[in-house]
Amino acid sequence: QSALTQPASVSGSPGQSITISCAGTVSDVGAYNYVSWYQQHPGKVPKLMIYDVSNRPSGVSYRFSGSKSGTTASLTISGLQSEDEADYYCSSYTDTTISVVFGGGTKLTVL
Amino acid sequence: EVQLVESGGGLIQPGGSLRLSCAASGFTVNSNYMGWVRQAPGKGLEWVSLLFSGGNTFYADSVKGRFTISRDNSKNTLYLQMNSLRAEDTAMYYCARLFRWASDYWGQGTLVTVSS
Repeated sequence: QSALTQPASVSGSPGQSITISCAGTVSDVGAYNYVSWYQQHPGKVPKLMIYDVSNRPSGVSYRFSGSKSGTTASLTISGLQSEDEADYYCSSYTDTTISVVFGGGTKLTVL
Repeated sequence: EVQLVESGGGLIQPGGSLRLSCAASGFTVNSNYMGWVRQAPGKGLEWVSLLFSGGNTFYADSVKGRFTISRDNSKNTLYLQMNSLRAEDTAMYYCARLFRWASDYWGQGTLVTVSS
């Protein structure tokens, strides 16, 4: 199963905004609005930040937003804070295997 | 309160078997899509197996024929039977519930180390 494609790393300064991309195909991101994003701090359990492309679960900061254009989804974090430094993973339903696939992960560094 | 508690991990020799358990509370396992995600040391997340509410299953190519996912409704528990273990199966294994194809609840993870 092919993973979704994410940049290995992104960085930004406190207060800035950053965007992490997640490239898929017409069998996953491009065809369905079942894109989700996860935050994982070192040694911790992944946390759901966005589901259904742009919906935030209860308790997730409004600074996190999601979008999609064609076969690429994006996670934007505005007003960067030091605690946002973590690994971020995208995920999507795929009709290739009737299952879910993850991206390779992006390490966010807050400078 | 929704909670997932995994157990069963440990150190096992190549070729050996382990059964992971995931005890759920706050919801019913057999009414939800459930699965196992693993993360090798320093690597990304990978879906290992899924069990849908209707009973259909999914397995990653890397574990097909070696791993079996199942559930015990009376115990509200999800299982992953892992046979013919290989060094590359070494990872933290997380149990997760799927909601609209997103994992909204995760267990704390159980570490599987395959080594002689």
